[in-house]
Amino acid sequence: EAQVTQNPRYLITVTGKKLTVTCSQNMNHEYMSWYRQDPGLGLRQIYYSMNVEVTDKGDVPEGYKVSRKEKRNFPLILESPSPNQTSLYFCASSASGTVPYEQYFGPGTRLTVT
Amino acid sequence: RKEVEQDPGPFNVPEGATVAFNCTYSNSASQSFFWYRQDCRKEPKLLMSVYSSGNEDGRFTAQLNRASQYISLLIRDSKLSDSATYLCVVDSYNQGGKLIFGQGTELSVKP
Repeated sequence: EAQVTQNPRYLITVTGKKLTVTCSQNMNHEYMSWYRQDPGLGLRQIYYSMNVEVTDKGDVPEGYKVSRKEKRNFPLILESPSPNQTSLYFCASSASGTVPYEQYFGPGTRLTVT
Repeated sequence: RKEVEQDPGPFNVPEGATVAFNCTYSNSASQSFFWYRQDCRKEPKLLMSVYSSGNEDGRFTAQLNRASQYISLLIRDSKLSDSATYLCVVDSYNQGGKLIFGQGTELSVKP
């Protein structure tokens, strides 16, 4: 089954404790992206990757890191989480090209930073 | 001005009603347009792409007006299962696969 998986689905942590949210897709997609969703603000892009070893900042990259060492994986790293990073996070993937294709989203990770 | 703007709603309609959502976008060079559906904080899923000539998928019709830079979604004969948030999505021209999401319009269909 074609899918995007994220782990963990729920996480409560404390300020400053480094964490990683994993994202994996089995569709051989070149493009992967991370979003956060907050009430009243919609989905905002954090980072995206057009292919292996190619990453770029989205609209709200501060406080986040990513890496793309393999095509299927695109982990999101919070080196020193803060309460304003409490949010619902989605990973997505799509086939790449000059025209954006349908994006497939993971189930989401609900993060609370206290 | 936001890059993609939608009426947040909520739209409360009875079953069987016809409802229309509008969305405006700021980048006149955008080429790709989509409507996504999101159920209660679950992951967004593609509802339909929007083509220049307009397109229809069952009870759903999408229209694009490039001159006025808006997109619309019409839902006919609303069902209870149509209750969700509808996201207008536009590509960020010349930035690869980057998409810009509107805030979403909430629809609640009542019996």
